[in-house]
Amino acid sequence: AQTVTQSQPEMSVQEAETVTLSCTYDTSENNYYLFWYKQPPSRQMILVIRQEAYKQQNATENRFSVNFQKAAKSFSLKISDSQLGDTAMYFCAFMRPYSGNTGKLIFGQGTTLQVKP
Amino acid sequence: GAVVSQHPSRVICKSGTSVKIECRSLDFQATTMFWYRQFPKKSLMLMATSNEGSKATYEQGVEKDKFLINHASLTLSTLTVTSAHPEDSSFYICSASGTGSTNEQFFGPGTRLTVL
Repeated sequence: AQTVTQSQPEMSVQEAETVTLSCTYDTSENNYYLFWYKQPPSRQMILVIRQEAYKQQNATENRFSVNFQKAAKSFSLKISDSQLGDTAMYFCAFMRPYSGNTGKLIFGQGTTLQVKP
Repeated sequence: GAVVSQHPSRVICKSGTSVKIECRSLDFQATTMFWYRQFPKKSLMLMATSNEGSKATYEQGVEKDKFLINHASLTLSTLTVTSAHPEDSSFYICSASGTGSTNEQFFGPGTRLTVL
């Protein structure tokens, strides 16, 4: 069974600084998807970034980028130029594609990030 | 991105009553919907997966007779908590995946259930 581990329950960063959130996973699959979701105080889940395992290039979305190390089964999220609005709980998630588009998400425990002014 | 709504956003009920939570995909057809439960400051726990027109698949440990899931159309899934008890109090979140999406799930805003 697949597992996702986030070993940092809480982190804090100063506004405008850079922070990296860690995530490791365990799977025997070769093809899969990895995601980072953000859950602000409103509790609405927001997709931050996604990575297809078959792509070697690390995904980037504006200030958010990942360091995907397939062999090490590591998928960290880097947030550059942190903003107060980045304060949220961040979840790393794994998805093994089923046939079609109906894969289940397996979430890590979450990391609460506080951006300080 | 695609929009998923949930209703109600908050509900308080008495112990022993049943509560229905609706999950709707507003601008796409959701072939699959997922129901999650989340405790404060904890991760999302998948309860069940439902495909339109077929029975839901429940995760291990989830009582299917207590948490009834119906996915009668491509835009609506419902979760009914039957004979609710205080331990069922939680935050329930649905997500939906459509035929046009690339393995992405779109999440509803969640429903806070409090059972007195």
